[in-house]
Amino acid sequence: GQQLNQSPQSMFIQEGEDVSMNCTSSSIFNTWLWYKQDPGEGPVLLIALYKAGELTSNGRLTAQFGITRKDSFLNISASIPSDVGIYFCAGVGGGADGLTFGKGTHLIIQP
Amino acid sequence: DAGVIQSPRHEVTEMGQEVTLRCKPISGHDYLFWYRQTMMRGLELLIYFNNNVPIDDSGMPEDRFSAKMPNASFSTLKIQPSEPRDSAVYFCASRENEQYFGPGTRLTVT
Repeated sequence: GQQLNQSPQSMFIQEGEDVSMNCTSSSIFNTWLWYKQDPGEGPVLLIALYKAGELTSNGRLTAQFGITRKDSFLNISASIPSDVGIYFCAGVGGGADGLTFGKGTHLIIQP
Repeated sequence: DAGVIQSPRHEVTEMGQEVTLRCKPISGHDYLFWYRQTMMRGLELLIYFNNNVPIDDSGMPEDRFSAKMPNASFSTLKIQPSEPRDSAVYFCASRENEQYFGPGTRLTVT
């Protein structure tokens, strides 16, 4: 089946730093999504990308849909304590409607 | 909008017992998905419905798992009999354009 390789697995950063994480796949996806999950909660949609090359921002978050349709990145600028959590990339493709998830990036912010 | 509603939030049961998880999707969403999250395997799609009809159940791990969607506002995921390896967080999500997740049910089978 389809798989997404998400990196890094975890990040330890100082408050105010910028963050970058990415996902790659051997398969083409038609839609890329980025979610954030807080402890004890379900994933919350941050950004959705629908076209190859698309660059979309949501506040301090910016994500891009790779030209090859096999990768995507998420950047967070000027991190703040509430950015702590697990970030997941997810893709839709191959004629399926369900999401294929990456393994997540655990973001830890040191004040 | 209340979002996707799941119940119970936590379930602890003994091996061999039947477990039923419930989901109420967001009104107007025509797709409903069930996912399972574990430390080892991450988030995995189990089954999904479109207009109450099961479309793809290839992610359902075994015949012990079954899911139903009797109407547009309700779905169940049943495990019978339950086993310790079924312990996980089970999420329901619904979709009109993009998927929105419920808070999950944390299942512990002892």
